Amino acid sequence: DAKTTQPNSMESNEEEPVHLPCNHSTISGTDYIHWYRQLPSQGPEYVIHGLTSNVNNRMASLAIAEDRKSSTLILHRATLRDAAVYYCILIDTNAGKSTFGDGTTLTVKP
Amino acid sequence: DTEVTQTPKHLVMGMTNKKSLKCEQHMGHRAMYWYKQKAKKPPELMFVYSYEKLSINESVPSRFSPECPNSSLLNLHLHALQPEDSALYLCASSQSPPQYGNTEAFFGQGTRLTVV
Repeated sequence: DAKTTQPNSMESNEEEPVHLPCNHSTISGTDYIHWYRQLPSQGPEYVIHGLTSNVNNRMASLAIAEDRKSSTLILHRATLRDAAVYYCILIDTNAGKSTFGDGTTLTVKP
Repeated sequence: DTEVTQTPKHLVMGMTNKKSLKCEQHMGHRAMYWYKQKAKKPPELMFVYSYEKLSINESVPSRFSPECPNSSLLNLHLHALQPEDSALYLCASSQSPPQYGNTEAFFGQGTRLTVV
């Protein structure tokens, strides 16, 4: 199974952009890149996903490297409510299953 | 309705007990999942059901027995568990099976299980 590597923790100031990196050097051509976040005492929540091209939605942007071996989740203006554990996940479409990375704990300072 | 509902929220059971966890969604999703999450760790996939058929079993011990009675319901039957099985059990659903890759999953809030 392809694996993802994320920094253990990151800090940001409120209303500043945040770039959360993820390394997935063993990604295969048919793996999708998904990001979820988990607030304390809640289940994970979908943030964004992509395959090859950069993606934008109302929550965030996803920048995918040209060789697909890394990606970056971008929160354009962090708020206190964005403090969570952010997981980078590969969806193996051949095997039909997902593998969570260890996650990055994002702290947002007022 | 974009909710995945899990019951109970908390469960304490003895090692000789039999109990069940329940998960329900009414979004018409055709894939449903069970994950196990230990404290400060990422969720670990246990089972995947696609179109009400078990498609993935991640070598889960037989003391955990999943069941999908219909497309809206997913159960996890528990028997003879060990204290190390204490964890948060998360259910999720997605419109399409994971083979499609292009589908978001909706997670429930989980059942906090303690085995004594």
